[in-house]
Amino acid sequence: QVQLVQSGAEVKKPGASVKVSCKASGYTFTSYDINWVRQATGQGLEWMGWMNPNSGNTGYAQKFQGRVTMTRNTSISTAYMELSSLRSEDTAVYYCARGLRVVQGARILYYFDYWGQGTLVTVSS
Amino acid sequence: QPVLTQPPSSSASPGESARLTCTLPSDINVGSYNIYWYQQKPGSPPRYLLYYYSDSDKGQGSGVPSRFSGSKDASANTGILLISGLQSEDEADYYCMIWPSNAYVFGTGTKVTVL
Repeated sequence: QVQLVQSGAEVKKPGASVKVSCKASGYTFTSYDINWVRQATGQGLEWMGWMNPNSGNTGYAQKFQGRVTMTRNTSISTAYMELSSLRSEDTAVYYCARGLRVVQGARILYYFDYWGQGTLVTVSS
Repeated sequence: QPVLTQPPSSSASPGESARLTCTLPSDINVGSYNIYWYQQKPGSPPRYLLYYYSDSDKGQGSGVPSRFSGSKDASANTGILLISGLQSEDEADYYCMIWPSNAYVFGTGTKVTVL
C-alpha cells in the first residue's frame, strides 16, 4: 500500500534551517510528484511547492521562493523539504503529499491523493 | 495569491445535509476550474474527497461515500460540497482547493459539527 512516512518533530531557533524528509513506499517513487503543504496550529492549509522526483524539477509558491528547497534521493525513495531563515511564523505541521495527475479529456486533474503523517516544526528562541 | 472564502463553521444534526461553500474572488471564474475538496480530522492529515468541474466531469476519491457530492453556483462564483445524510464521523474540517495559476490555493476551511 502507498505510504509516505515523514521524519520526526524538530525544534529550531530563529534564523536556522530545517530539513524534513518524506519516505515513499508502495509505488514507483519517480512516477508521481511530491508536494509540500503546511498548517500552523489551528489554521488552514498552505501549499508550499512541488517536486518531480524523476527530473528533480521544482515549483515553489511565491511566498517561499528563496527560502525553500525541495530535493530527493531516488535510491531511497525519499523527498526532502528544507526551509531556511526560520521565524516564529514558520511554526507549523509540514506535510508531504503525493500529486496524482489524471488526464481528463482535454483537461488535467491534479490532486493530492496520499499524505504523510506530518512533521511538527517549532521555531522558538 | 487569491483567497478562497469558506464559512468558518457549519452544523447540522445526524441525517440532515450540510452544504459547504467555497467562494472564489471575482477575478477568478469558478466555471473554469476544477474544485477539489479535502476532509481533515483532528490530528490527521487531510483526505482527498472529490473534485467537481461540471455535472458531466466530476469524480469521487477512492472509498469516499456517495453522500459527498460537489457542485457549483456560477451566479455566486462558488464551489459547493454537499454532505447528505450527515453522520457523526463527518465531523471534521473541510477545505476546497484550486489551481488558479502556478500555485495551489486552499480555502480558509469550514469546521463541520454534527449536533
